[in-house]
Amino acid sequence: GENVEQHPSTLSVQEGDSAVIKCTYSDSASNYFPWYKQELGKRPQLIIDIRSNVGEKKDQRIAVTLNKTAKHFSLHITETQPEDSAVYFCAASIRGGSQGNLIFGKGTKLSVKP
Amino acid sequence: NAGVTQTPKFRVLKTGQSMTLLCAQDMNHEYMYWYRQDPGMGLRLIHYSVGEGTTAKGEVPDGYNVSRLKKQNFLLGLESAAPSQTSVYFCASGSGGSYNEQFFGPGTRLTVL
Repeated sequence: GENVEQHPSTLSVQEGDSAVIKCTYSDSASNYFPWYKQELGKRPQLIIDIRSNVGEKKDQRIAVTLNKTAKHFSLHITETQPEDSAVYFCAASIRGGSQGNLIFGKGTKLSVKP
Repeated sequence: NAGVTQTPKFRVLKTGQSMTLLCAQDMNHEYMYWYRQDPGMGLRLIHYSVGEGTTAKGEVPDGYNVSRLKKQNFLLGLESAAPSQTSVYFCASGSGGSYNEQFFGPGTRLTVL
């Protein structure tokens, strides 16, 4: 089955710096890669996703890149702000049926210091 | 729309007690999921359902049962709670298509003494 590894487990940056979180997946059939943000005591919420037919996607200060050959994808946050502090989860999904389930990485706790 | 809701928000049980967690969604989603979240372990899938009347096991199903009698509801049951089941439980729902965005409920914090 699919396995998702996420690094680093914790990341501390200064406000205004960039942050990068990396994930690798094992199943080459995976075709959907969402990123969820979870603030302390809150529910995970989707912030950006990428499909396997796309190499990069941007949404304001957030971008995600996908390298299908190497089976890894990354979240990039530029000009970080204190409100970006949260736990970020990557996930991978396989098309259809039970394979439509999301397999999550173990999370990265991002701290942005003012 | 309320999205995905969960009841209760908090619960404390004694070892051996039973309880049911309720998840409800108003987005007409076919797929529903129960996860548990433990420190450093991310989100692990307990059970899921691909439609009314269907359920299937996820990654960590032992000690839990589920039912999906109505499309909008997904129940998670603990028949005999154990301290190892102390966790935060999240329900989620999704359309289940090729690109399965999942929408999460607010979570239930369960402590088993």
